[in-house]
Amino acid sequence: GNSVTQMEGPVTLSEEAFLTINCTYTATGYPSLFWYVQYPGEGLQLLLKATKADDKGSNKGFEATYRKETTSFHLEKGSVQVSDSAVYFCALTLAGANSKLTFGKGITLSVRP
Amino acid sequence: DVKVTQSSRYLVKRTGEKVFLECVQDMDHENMFWYRQDPGLGLRLIYFSYDVKMKEKGDIPEGYSVSREKKERFSLILESASTNQTSMYLCATQAGGAFYGYTFGSGTRLTVV
Repeated sequence: GNSVTQMEGPVTLSEEAFLTINCTYTATGYPSLFWYVQYPGEGLQLLLKATKADDKGSNKGFEATYRKETTSFHLEKGSVQVSDSAVYFCALTLAGANSKLTFGKGITLSVRP
Repeated sequence: DVKVTQSSRYLVKRTGEKVFLECVQDMDHENMFWYRQDPGLGLRLIYFSYDVKMKEKGDIPEGYSVSREKKERFSLILESASTNQTSMYLCATQAGGAFYGYTFGSGTRLTVV
């Protein structure tokens, strides 16, 4: 089956620190990969995505590269801000009109001033 | 932008009550989903629908049912609420196709007492 594994949390960083959140996956086919973010009290928002190997998704200073050889899609940001404090979910879906997302368990990031 | 509206942000119900959670979208998306989110468990799929009057069970359908009489509205029904259904419930829509991620509503935090 399909699954997404995220590193254990929570993660606490100081403002302007470098962020890496690991995500690896297993899939029966060729997946599209996503990162979602959930700010306190809100639903999930799409942060970035990549649909084929070596694609780099980017948004709001965050980046993730689709690595087929290591089945990974790690999220990075060079300098985090307090406003980045949120829960981050990695997810995948396989091709098809009626595709469902498979989510990782999410990781909580807290950024202190 | 697609808007997904969940009727209540917070809801408190008594054990044994029948509970309706409503989700309405404004962009004619075919696919709609109901998830519950619990600490340490991430998002778990309850039910989904790819078309009007069509529904399929997700990973944890027990104790729930759904209704989709119109394309824009997808309702989640707790037939007889129990305390273990206290959770955050998230509705999501998808235009169709692996390239498109989900658009989520803001969530309903349900407490069953």
